[in-house]
Amino acid sequence: NAGVTQTPKFRILKIGQSMTLQCAQDMNHNYMYWYRQDPGMGLKLIYYSVGAGITDKGEVPNGYNVSRSTTEDFPLRLELAAPSQTSVYFCASSYSKQSGTEEYFGPGTRLLVL
Amino acid sequence: RKEVEQDPGPFNVPEGATVAFNCTYSNSASQSFFWYRQDCRKEPKLLMSVYSSGNEDGRFTAQLNRASQYISLLIRDSKLSDSATYLCVVNSWGKLQFGAGTQVVVTP
Repeated sequence: NAGVTQTPKFRILKIGQSMTLQCAQDMNHNYMYWYRQDPGMGLKLIYYSVGAGITDKGEVPNGYNVSRSTTEDFPLRLELAAPSQTSVYFCASSYSKQSGTEEYFGPGTRLLVL
Repeated sequence: RKEVEQDPGPFNVPEGATVAFNCTYSNSASQSFFWYRQDCRKEPKLLMSVYSSGNEDGRFTAQLNRASQYISLLIRDSKLSDSATYLCVVNSWGKLQFGAGTQVVVTP
């Protein structure tokens, strides 16, 4: 199993540009998540999905959109990039949302908005 | 107040020594607790879950104190490879809250 994969690994955007961060998992997990991690801060949940066709907002959803057309893929869309979106983005998945369930993380995408 | 708070460190630890650090959480209804490890510029990976009775995994011991709302991690016989940031993670009704992490640096 490849686990959770993310592309690209690194990207520089200009203010106002748009891009899609790709995330895929091959573990047949129903639950998928997008987090951002800023220096000195804990991971913040952007969006999550409990299954194909179902998505919901997390703690910091503004400026982002997601879709979940398949179990495997959970892309994150930035429509109008802003410097405040400079961060490291992690995608994660889990087989359950029950207490005690481990989340598996992808390697991250480093985004710089200038 | 942050929901999950950790001392950022760094904790500089001689190889072979013991290091321990805590994490406090604000939601008394939190149901499960974890320690994740994050290496520099890498993704977080589960180190261990934290059970009410406390649990041990090799050189790592985790404790939970619900009355005082904190969890702890103790690393015995520190190895150079233990150098990392340790993230405290609290699960409240399926929602994970992450601490900012405690950095541990093990020196030769």
